[in-house]
Amino acid sequence: AQSVTQLDSQVPVFEEAPVELRCNYSSSVSVYLFWYVQYPNQGLQLLLKYLSGSTLVKGINGFEAEFNKSQTSFHLRKPSVHISDTAEYFCAVSSSGGYQKVTFGIGTKLQVIP
Amino acid sequence: DTAVSQTPKYLVTQMGNDKSIKCEQNLGHDTMYWYKQDSKKFLKIMFSYNNKELIINETVPNRFSPKSPDKAHLNLHINSLELGDSAVYFCASSTGQGAGDTEAFFGQGTRLTVV
Repeated sequence: AQSVTQLDSQVPVFEEAPVELRCNYSSSVSVYLFWYVQYPNQGLQLLLKYLSGSTLVKGINGFEAEFNKSQTSFHLRKPSVHISDTAEYFCAVSSSGGYQKVTFGIGTKLQVIP
Repeated sequence: DTAVSQTPKYLVTQMGNDKSIKCEQNLGHDTMYWYKQDSKKFLKIMFSYNNKELIINETVPNRFSPKSPDKAHLNLHINSLELGDSAVYFCASSTGQGAGDTEAFFGQGTRLTVV
């Protein structure tokens, strides 16, 4: 079984400040990790994903995440946020091989304050 | 040129009714999904189809019946609607066989309200 924990339900941050959204996962096998963003009244959109290789993954809109196997974490970061980054962010995990379902975390609401 | 489109966007209905939500993708993907997002934003997979065949069927009441007439369409029919069915339902699609490494493309969601 696999699971995802997003430690913060809401993260307020001032515009142009850095932000980190935390995500921890658990799985008994090799994993793939994802961050999705959901803007108000929209579906989810992929920000970035880790499949293998370099543990630092760069995504769209200036976001990046680092896979840390020993700490089972995949935290999302951005050095300087904009008002337009206000959204819900979901961390997700899936396992390798065959038909696999993706398990989502409960989401972190990023509120960028002008 | 919408990639994954769902209709309707909003659906308000009374308890006990039967309703359907339609989903179409024009990405040429082989795998389609239905997810349910509850009021706390928790997103959980309900069903997954690959080339019209059911491959994931989570613990979902049998009042929910997906139907895939072809690989570009996955509709969701719900019988005898209950208050607890109120949620946002998302359709999604991905390439290949739905292996865990593929990105899912989501529709904009259908907000179902049962009164």
